[in-house]
Amino acid sequence: EVQLVESGGGLVQPGRSMKLSCAASGFTFNNYDMAWVCQAPKKGLEWVATISYDGSSTYYRDSVKGRFTISRDNAKSTLYLQMDSLRSEDTATYYCARRAYYAPYFDYWGQGVMVTVSS
Amino acid sequence: IQLTQSPSLLSASVGDRVTLSCKGSQNINNYLAWYQQKLGEAPKLLIYNTNSLQTGIPSRFSGSGSGTDYTLTISSLQPEDVATYFCYQYNNGNTFGAGTKLELK
Repeated sequence: EVQLVESGGGLVQPGRSMKLSCAASGFTFNNYDMAWVCQAPKKGLEWVATISYDGSSTYYRDSVKGRFTISRDNAKSTLYLQMDSLRSEDTATYYCARRAYYAPYFDYWGQGVMVTVSS
Repeated sequence: IQLTQSPSLLSASVGDRVTLSCKGSQNINNYLAWYQQKLGEAPKLLIYNTNSLQTGIPSRFSGSGSGTDYTLTISSLQPEDVATYFCYQYNNGNTFGAGTKLELK
């Protein structure tokens, strides 16, 4: 069974940093591109970043370029999102998602972790 | 590409045939998926590539459309279908619609 379990969220002050983790199991992690998708309170979903199966390529939405870094450790089957210079508008639930094999849509999602940016 | 979902809120009765709409600001070329999100849960993939049913999803869910206009249909609404439904395009970049909240009448 595919499982994605996020951790590392919480309350953080504006301008500070936070690192999210996503532990994957139930599939061969290093065969799949992975992504982070966020959902602000009572809002829709927004793609944040994607990383290729081997970590060689990364992609970001414009609003997080230069502030967020997506990475992965295939030996640990873990995905990360380093978030720096956090802003109040980054407040959201962050979901780890698996991109379907050789396909650009997401087929499995984690339960999500809440990040609140506030002083 | 912007996605507009309608209606934003839909009330229907058990057994009803329900149709949800998703319109793109440009041609999506059938690269469209639908997700179901129940309260407090992660999104679940229902349909991909416009009309392909994800493994394990009940056959009462179906997708159709072309160009800029796409539809998710539930042939006979069940109580467990109460959720918010999002469309997602991956033809040009990737964007989600704002969602349609489906509730029981």
